[in-house]
Amino acid sequence: DIQMTQSPSTLSASVGDRVTITCRASQSINSWLAWYQQKPGKAPKLLIYKASSLESGVPSRFSGSGSGTEFTLTISSLQPEDFATYYCQQYNYLWTFGQGTKVEIK
Amino acid sequence: QVQLQESGPGLVKPSGTLSLTCAVSGGSISNNNWCSWVRQPPGKGLEWIGEINYSGSTNYNPSFKSRVTISVDKSKNQFSLKVNSVTAADTAVYYCAKGVEAWGQGTLVTVSS
Repeated sequence: DIQMTQSPSTLSASVGDRVTITCRASQSINSWLAWYQQKPGKAPKLLIYKASSLESGVPSRFSGSGSGTEFTLTISSLQPEDFATYYCQQYNYLWTFGQGTKVEIK
Repeated sequence: QVQLQESGPGLVKPSGTLSLTCAVSGGSISNNNWCSWVRQPPGKGLEWIGEINYSGSTNYNPSFKSRVTISVDKSKNQFSLKVNSVTAADTAVYYCAKGVEAWGQGTLVTVSS
């Protein structure tokens, strides 16, 4: 099984802050990594696929980077609507999700 | 734009079988993407259950052992999930997905007598 370790589990930040979330895979997944945003009571929303490709309609303040086993999601300037939980997911072999990062208001 | 909609009973008795269907619209289930089921227990993270492709090949999360069956009905453009011998631990919001980009809105299934 491929394990995904996401950090931090909780992040407190202010509007306008630059935010970075890290995801580490237990073995190489090449670039088969997605990032999702989830708000309470809603389905996950795809932000980034193939590690760094921005999904259509997603604001450009979201970016992804990395390959192999180390990946990051960056929000360049946090907006009020960005307070949510974020998940990474590998789809190199089957699917595995990270534990999630809750981005809270500082 | 592909849209997915889950349907099925919202309440299942312990030891019973959970059955859900995912209807796909706006695109054919027979394209290249695999169709998956994911669940999320209340207040917890996302857990992948398994996947199926248009020809019926399946892969399952080993943690579900032999309790899970995923099937596809190309004539109805839908795929289905069955989970046997359910317990309260199977209470969750169940999502269907096609590839990584298209997800259903999710449906809450509660296991309770």
